[in-house]
Amino acid sequence: AQKVTQAQTEISVVEKEDVTLDCVYETRDTTYYLFWYKQPPSGELVFLIRRNSFDEQNEISGRYSWNFQKSTSSFNFTITASQVVDSAVYFCALSEALSYGQNFVFGPGTRLSVLP
Amino acid sequence: DGGITQSPKYLFRKEGQNVTLSCEQNLNHDAMYWYRQDPGQGLRLIYYSQIVNDFQKGDIAEGYSVSREKKESFPLTVTSAQKNPTAFYLCASSAQVAYNEQFFGPGTRLTVL
Repeated sequence: AQKVTQAQTEISVVEKEDVTLDCVYETRDTTYYLFWYKQPPSGELVFLIRRNSFDEQNEISGRYSWNFQKSTSSFNFTITASQVVDSAVYFCALSEALSYGQNFVFGPGTRLSVLP
Repeated sequence: DGGITQSPKYLFRKEGQNVTLSCEQNLNHDAMYWYRQDPGQGLRLIYYSQIVNDFQKGDIAEGYSVSREKKESFPLTVTSAQKNPTAFYLCASSAQVAYNEQFFGPGTRLTVL
């Protein structure tokens, strides 16, 4: 069965520091998709990125970057020059190609606090 | 604007009462989902529906019921059989393929008094 682990329960950084959120996944499928979501204090989950298992190219979007490494089954998320508005709970998720929503598995989340 | 709406935002229930949480989407998505989130926890799947008039149990379906009579709507009823219903409930929808991200509504916070 698939599984997503986010070992960091809570992280606190001071504004402008860089921070990396770890995500390790388990799956037996060769084709799968990885996601990151942000949950601000308001509660609604906001989609950040999707990667498929055949594309290990790292991605950068503004201050956000993602490092996908199949060799270590990891899909880590880095925020550069963090800001207070980045404070939120971040979830990593996995979806297997031969499944639909019933196998969209979320990790437990990492709560990031960015202090001014 | 396209999106998912949930109502009410806050809901209070007395023990022994059934309550229904609303979820509506105008994204033309086939699939819809209900998740439960407890404080400091991740999301757990309650029910999902891949198509109108069909739905399947998720990991924690006991004490909940759903219906899917219209593509746009997927209401969740929390019954009196649910022993610990106080939680944050999130509705989501997606296109009908595994690689599509799920879009989430703003959530309903249910408190049992």
